Amino acid sequence: DAGVIQSPRHEVTEMGQEVTLRCKPISGHNSLFWYRQTMMRGLELLIYFNNNVPIDDSGMPEDRFSAKMPNASFSTLKIQPSEPRDSAVYFCASSLPGNNEKLFFGSGTQLSVL
Amino acid sequence: GENVEQHPSTLSVQEGDSAVIKCTYSDSASNYFPWYKQELGKRPQLIIDIRSNVGEKKDQRIAVTLNKTAKHFSLHITETQPEDSAVYFCADGGISGNTPLVFGKGTRLSVIA
Repeated sequence: DAGVIQSPRHEVTEMGQEVTLRCKPISGHNSLFWYRQTMMRGLELLIYFNNNVPIDDSGMPEDRFSAKMPNASFSTLKIQPSEPRDSAVYFCASSLPGNNEKLFFGSGTQLSVL
Repeated sequence: GENVEQHPSTLSVQEGDSAVIKCTYSDSASNYFPWYKQELGKRPQLIIDIRSNVGEKKDQRIAVTLNKTAKHFSLHITETQPEDSAVYFCADGGISGNTPLVFGKGTRLSVIA
């Protein structure tokens, strides 16, 4: 298994542009998490899905952020419009059914908003 | 909601010395506490975890201790090596895997050769 796959690895964009981050969880994992990592705040949970259904999006910073999981093998995190303060590393992680304890992280997307 | 405090934020040790990282949590019902290691430019990976029915767990040079009364747990690395240099995150795993992990802010460990 290739593990959790995220794309792109790096994204540089200008303020105001739309950004879409993509994630493919490990096959058979039914929970998917989006985390944001910054120096100041560490790893923050943005949103998570169980069986493709959003369970808790209370960590999403504001309405500019949205996430979808149209099927068991794909999720997106969208920022529209992007702002410089959104610059961070965004990690996607997945876990086995009923086991949110052991997370398998993707390689992350380094986002820079200029 | 859960809150996890992690200290120190940075730690430098000489190769061969021990390193200790401490975390406190707020939810007394939590019973699972993992530690993740993130090497520079890499993804976080689970290195060890502990459940509330044990007080200590070891795996070669790393160990984790848990004090449920005081609501704190610690990571101990003995005989540190340069490859131990990384950011270490503790987490509160809530109750039996039904809630997402809440991470501490991380400790950047530097092992000086």
